[in-house]
Amino acid sequence: DADVTQTPRNRITKTGKRIMLECSQTKGHDRMYWYRQDPGLGLRLIYYSFDVKDINKGEISDGYSVSRQAQAKFSLSLESAIPNQTALYFCATSEKGRSQETQYFGPGTRLLVL
Amino acid sequence: SQQGEEDPQALSIQEGENATMNCSYKTSINNLQWYRQNSGRGLVHLILIRSNEREKHSGRLRVTLDTSKKSSSLLITASRAADTASYFCATDRGSTLGRLYFGRGTQLTVWP
Repeated sequence: DADVTQTPRNRITKTGKRIMLECSQTKGHDRMYWYRQDPGLGLRLIYYSFDVKDINKGEISDGYSVSRQAQAKFSLSLESAIPNQTALYFCATSEKGRSQETQYFGPGTRLLVL
Repeated sequence: SQQGEEDPQALSIQEGENATMNCSYKTSINNLQWYRQNSGRGLVHLILIRSNEREKHSGRLRVTLDTSKKSSSLLITASRAADTASYFCATDRGSTLGRLYFGRGTQLTVWP
């Protein structure tokens, strides 16, 4: 079984709808991240969480919110989806400590906002 | 803003040739990492090099780091068609908080 899973893998929604992307991990890591990837722009950090009670904004948090329901679960919500939020979304995890720097990525959620 | 800037943006080679990708960055760093992404999939960590290291090897991968020039290179020797992927460098910008800053990536195509 994959260590970092994301659901759904693909989603089509309409402008103005609220949607939630979910991420679960079995690696026991404290730190979790949400990125979006657009063609030619690499990965940009949306939100990150260093533990259940710690949530931080990344580079492009506007229009997004997150919830860290448990150590293993980190959800990303688009409150009112707009077409320029069409992108590939990745969840990632890392552990605290010496090896904290390496991040482990989920398979991604491809989102299309019409 | 992007921390790493990989070049070239795209690289096309034949199987058996070596592939070299470069990454430049702007701030001090504790370490620099390279990740690989197969089309439409999640990134996979390849190798990490710390700021006090100059060269590191892992299988067919060789990474160098020149902190005076703020640059790194990733060399894949004897490339295979299966190496076709996008390769990203990422740095920590000198922070120990765990955030990474990714470049835009190099798309490598290896022709059989």
